[in-house]
Amino acid sequence: DTGVSQNPRHKITKRGQNVTFRCDPISEHNRLYWYRQTLGQGPEFLTYFQNEAQLEKSRLLSDRFSAERPKGSFSTLEIQRTEQGDSAMYLCASSRTSGRHQETQYFGPGTRLLVL
Amino acid sequence: TQLLEQSPQFLSIQEGENLTVYCNSSSVFSSLQWYRQEPGEGPVLLVTVVTGGEVKKLKRLTFQFGDARKDSSLHITAAQPGDTGLYLCAGDGSGSNYKLTFGKGTLLTVNP
Repeated sequence: DTGVSQNPRHKITKRGQNVTFRCDPISEHNRLYWYRQTLGQGPEFLTYFQNEAQLEKSRLLSDRFSAERPKGSFSTLEIQRTEQGDSAMYLCASSRTSGRHQETQYFGPGTRLLVL
Repeated sequence: TQLLEQSPQFLSIQEGENLTVYCNSSSVFSSLQWYRQEPGEGPVLLVTVVTGGEVKKLKRLTFQFGDARKDSSLHITAAQPGDTGLYLCAGDGSGSNYKLTFGKGTLLTVNP
């Protein structure tokens, strides 16, 4: 299967600890998106990359959050000094874009974070 | 800010019944996607609609995009327990970033 994969699937951490999540997009997809979903809500956009360039960050992404996509393939999302309000499902999606045409975003299974 | 409102928020029906879920906005979207999400999993794409007035059918599911590309509906005929899940609509707005704006979803439960 060549779908989007995310690791770990679940993470429990104590408040104040740092956590890092990984996303492997569908091969040859040049765009990669991070979303956050809290209970009872739809996913909310956090940031996206085109190849290795981070092109937009939401205001939801505080200074404690950082995302990278160093080689334009996999991406990591790090949260420093976690807070209980960071508890959520973190979703990654990828798509292929050529010029003004974009294909559909395909989502990974998500990483569920619980901050105690 | 583009917002998508979904209704109803919760829906519990018996197997065999029909249902319609609505997705409304005051904004125009380039395209609109419907996803289905199961607990603890990521959203899975059902359909993308791009043309105002477009109707797409996927087995027992019928999707419609409003003429003005501001609203959409999902109709399920003869619902089955396997249809249970969170149905999300997402709009692909203006600009070049193609980020999706999601509604809060409709949680559907189909009882056997």
